[in-house]
Amino acid sequence: KQEVTQIPAALSVPEGENLVLNCSFTDSAIYNLQWFRQDPGKGLTSLLLIQSSQREQTSGRLNASLDKSSGRSTLYIAASQPGDSATYLCAVYTDKLIFGTGTRLQVFP
Amino acid sequence: GAVVSQHPSRVICKSGTSVKIECRSLDFQATTMFWYRQFPKQSLMLMATSNEGSKATYEQGVEKDKFLINHASLTLSTLTVTSAHPEDSSFYICSARDQGERLYGYTFGSGTRLTVV
Repeated sequence: KQEVTQIPAALSVPEGENLVLNCSFTDSAIYNLQWFRQDPGKGLTSLLLIQSSQREQTSGRLNASLDKSSGRSTLYIAASQPGDSATYLCAVYTDKLIFGTGTRLQVFP
Repeated sequence: GAVVSQHPSRVICKSGTSVKIECRSLDFQATTMFWYRQFPKQSLMLMATSNEGSKATYEQGVEKDKFLINHASLTLSTLTVTSAHPEDSSFYICSARDQGERLYGYTFGSGTRLTVV
């Protein structure tokens, strides 16, 4: 059974810091991995999608890497801003999409 | 890009009644849709996989008689919470995929906040 874990569970930092969010999964036979953002009481916003054959994807201040063999992905957020405050979820796709436990991020001015 | 519409966004119902939630893919055909449930400050838990024209596949521990799923067309899946109770209060969110999902990822609805009183 696929299990997806995210570390840390919560993070509070001053704005301007560079951040690393971690995601690990137990079954490396995945098709892709997707990072999402969720604001309180809201749905999901897709941030980055990494195919199993890829090593990383970048979008603006976000960079996600994937090491499938070790079952790990990291989301790097550069120069964090208060608007980045949200819960970040990673999800892996095998025959279904399984979500990680999430990281609650707070960036304060 | 792919859009998934989910309705209603919020619903309050009395204990013992049934509530139907709709999930529509607006610009693509979704042979498969997924239903998730999210409790406060927790992650999304997969409830069931909805397959067009066939029975849904439920995850372990999810009562299929309580959470009825119908996927009658390639653009619509419905989740009906039958005989709702306060413990069913939660955030329900659907996801749809088309044949290109391995390349383009998943698209999610905006979610439904169910409150049972």
